[in-house]
Amino acid sequence: NAGVTQTPKFRILKIGQSMTLQCAQDMNHNYMYWYRQDPGMGLKLIYYSVGAGITDKGEVPNGYNVSRSTTEYFPLRLELAAPSQTSVYFCASSPAAGSPLHFGNGTRLTVT
Amino acid sequence: KQEVTQIPAALSVPEGENLVLNCSFTDSAIYNLQWFRQDPGKGLTSLLLIQSSQREQTSGRLNASLDKSSGRSTLYIAASQPGDSATYLCAVSENFGNEKLTFGTGTRLTIIP
Repeated sequence: NAGVTQTPKFRILKIGQSMTLQCAQDMNHNYMYWYRQDPGMGLKLIYYSVGAGITDKGEVPNGYNVSRSTTEYFPLRLELAAPSQTSVYFCASSPAAGSPLHFGNGTRLTVT
Repeated sequence: KQEVTQIPAALSVPEGENLVLNCSFTDSAIYNLQWFRQDPGKGLTSLLLIQSSQREQTSGRLNASLDKSSGRSTLYIAASQPGDSATYLCAVSENFGNEKLTFGTGTRLTIIP
């Protein structure tokens, strides 16, 4: 059972570079989420999607973009990377609103 | 704005003991509360979800309670084992969905063999 798969596991970016964090789930979940986790802080929601073609901003969307063309994939795009985007990024999914979340293992991103 | 606090930040307990982890929140108008565990370098694993109308939920050796009026939840772990070592996080939801989840910063639990 793959669940939620995130790639890459680690990445170092230079300031101003761009990249896409990949997220795929094989559970046919409608709801998908992107969080970032900073040391000493609770997880913060970046973007979420309630189904293919529908996305919405979370608490900290600035500097990020998402797309959801299919149920399975929910990539997160960073444009013009900044040191403040150094964090661990988690993708999660759930079958319905208010259902328990299923998390991927995260992508550790460093921007220098 | 909702704030979720977990104290202590770290806890060490000898194997076999029962223990309680704490979670407090400032706004009692919540829809549900979730407990997660996070192993080093891994994502979060959902343990228990308590609806606002419920008082407690149980799964195996885990029991979570919720007191909305006092803004508190506890996670009770019975007969602790080394495999229970992890960081435990709680999160409260202000609405039906997960898009309004507010997470605590977690308690890092170490079970000493």
